Amino acid sequence: EAQVTQNPRYLITVTGKKLTVTCSQNMNHEYMSWYRQDPGLGLRQIYYSMNVEVTDKGDVPEGYKVSRKEKRNFPLILESPSPNQTSLYFCAVAPDRLGGIGGYTFGSGTRLTVV
Amino acid sequence: KNQVEQSPQSLIILEGKNCTLQCNYTVSPFSNLRWYKQDTGRGPVSLTIMTFSENTKSNGRYTATLDADTKQSSLHITASQLSDSASYICVVSATSGTYKYIFGTGTRLKVLA
Repeated sequence: EAQVTQNPRYLITVTGKKLTVTCSQNMNHEYMSWYRQDPGLGLRQIYYSMNVEVTDKGDVPEGYKVSRKEKRNFPLILESPSPNQTSLYFCAVAPDRLGGIGGYTFGSGTRLTVV
Repeated sequence: KNQVEQSPQSLIILEGKNCTLQCNYTVSPFSNLRWYKQDTGRGPVSLTIMTFSENTKSNGRYTATLDADTKQSSLHITASQLSDSASYICVVSATSGTYKYIFGTGTRLKVLA
């Protein structure tokens, strides 16, 4: 079964404590992306990756880092989290940036709270 | 500025009734338009995709329409079920050197028994 696995599902942390949200896919897709979703703002892209070792900024990259050392994994790193990064985060996967016939496949989400 | 606006923001209907959700966009140049369904606390799931030349596309009880001239799309849900309670998100793709995937803020639908 095609899956996009995010961990953890829920996370409460304190300001400044580095954290990593993992995203793993078994679909062998090249395109992976991170989004955050906030009430009234919709989904906003943080970073994306077209392939291994190829990453680029989305619309709201400040305060985040990513890496793509292997095709299946695309972790999101918050070096020094702040309360304004409290949000619902989604990893999205697709054959290419256009989404293919089926569109993006999203993970189940990570609800992050920074206090 | 590329924008996708959806209406209404929220909607409550009784089980078995039909409803229509609207999406207006100012994205250019247009590539395609998708509707996603997002259950509470879950990731969005694609319902339909429509390209410039398509006017109507169905997926079970869901029917999407597209008017590329007026830059409007609608999602019609027939004979609603409790499981239709979710947010419905319109996403428009633009290709202009750098590809963009632009999300609307969604319509939250609640179906009551």
